[in-house]
Amino acid sequence: GAGVSQSPRYKVAKRGQDVALRCDPISGHVSLFWYQQALGQGPEFLTYFQNEAQLDKSGLPSDRFFAERPEGSVSTLKIQRTQQEDSAVYLCASSLVEAAAWANVLTFGAGSRLTVL
Amino acid sequence: AQKITQTQPGMFVQEKEAVTLDCTYDTSDQSYGLFWYKQPSSGEMIFLIYQGSYDEQNATEGRYSLNFQKARKSANLVISASQLGDSAMYFCAMREGGSGGYQKVTFGIGTKLQVIP
Repeated sequence: GAGVSQSPRYKVAKRGQDVALRCDPISGHVSLFWYQQALGQGPEFLTYFQNEAQLDKSGLPSDRFFAERPEGSVSTLKIQRTQQEDSAVYLCASSLVEAAAWANVLTFGAGSRLTVL
Repeated sequence: AQKITQTQPGMFVQEKEAVTLDCTYDTSDQSYGLFWYKQPSSGEMIFLIYQGSYDEQNATEGRYSLNFQKARKSANLVISASQLGDSAMYFCAMREGGSGGYQKVTFGIGTKLQVIP
């Protein structure tokens, strides 16, 4: 696709419900990142994929958070038994990984705003 | 230690004036990239400018320039001729990691810029 697509854009969940957030990166983008952005804060790293391999999940706040990218394209972030502190915008970003990989620009999706009541 | 430090929570600038947004970073990598993103109230993250650790010249993109001082580990964003549409949150970010392997992209907490007519 032309850009990074995230769905749903808005999700309201009752405390204790499970939610799944989807990210469809730019075609051909090998790297995929998930970030959590609380109101008025900067994006906080959650997890990183290179193709289907999850190379870093150190930012996932608890074992209620799980991410996958089984075929190296679309990724899903799942949050089980949601809590109020999970309320945030979840941003997905993708990029190429080429030589001089540190130069590759992240392209972000519009985000999924999760509100847990 | 914080990887990215932005010490200005909020800044005001008069329309048509220039403004500098501060960013310092911490890394032991030799190869890294520094990025600035803009996030308007609508929420999307917009890439503005990139500076590589090996680049000897400061990056420029239209009205945006990056004042890169490697020895001081600073990467300040300069916006010239401010416009009302520049009012937004601005995030400094750093990408570390070599090609073909682990990548890390860390963001600062942001600076809220308000342009006054």
